[in-house]
Amino acid sequence: DVKVTQSSRYLVKRTGEKVFLECVQDMDHENMFWYRQDPGLGLRLIYFSYDVKMKEKGDIPEGYSVSREKKERFSLILESASTNQTSMYLCASSKDGRDGYTFGSGTRLTVV
Amino acid sequence: RKEVEQDPGPFNVPEGATVAFNCTYSNSASQSFFWYRQDCRKEPKLLMSVYSSGNEDGRFTAQLNRASQYISLLIRDSKLSDSATYLCVVRGSTLGRLYFGRGTQLTVWP
Repeated sequence: DVKVTQSSRYLVKRTGEKVFLECVQDMDHENMFWYRQDPGLGLRLIYFSYDVKMKEKGDIPEGYSVSREKKERFSLILESASTNQTSMYLCASSKDGRDGYTFGSGTRLTVV
Repeated sequence: RKEVEQDPGPFNVPEGATVAFNCTYSNSASQSFFWYRQDCRKEPKLLMSVYSSGNEDGRFTAQLNRASQYISLLIRDSKLSDSATYLCVVRGSTLGRLYFGRGTQLTVWP
């Protein structure tokens, strides 16, 4: 089975801190995605990547950046964390567009 | 207009009941369709793909109507363990990008 691993399950950071969320997949998938999920708003796409060193903005990229230096790793960066970035962050990967995604178990980030 | 719309519920049904969820999508060029299940405070997991001819997996039946841009999920003989949020998911014309509905919450009570 594909495994998508997110480095932290729970994270508490202070306003203004730079935050790195790491995601690693072990099945040589080309496509990787970062979502945030908030009650009543569902899953919202932040950034995605179809290849190494390639990135595309999703629906809500403001305040975030990403890095994909290796195929298996896709990092989400909060340049200066703010309280409105408190959320559940979900990483996902897929081999190609025909299949669904496999999600990591999520990182629940609280910014205080 | 949102890409995928679904009734948020909640649906509260007794064990053994049959329950149906519906969803509509806006992009007629959409190419793949799925139902995901998400348990409380967990990640979404693929429940089943949805094919034009309709498909069944045990107690679960999924159907797609391309002309009406409508997807459904039927759960027969509901179990307590079916309690979760069910997400309707559509792949748009952009390669690999999936669009998620906000989910329909189901609670099965004894």
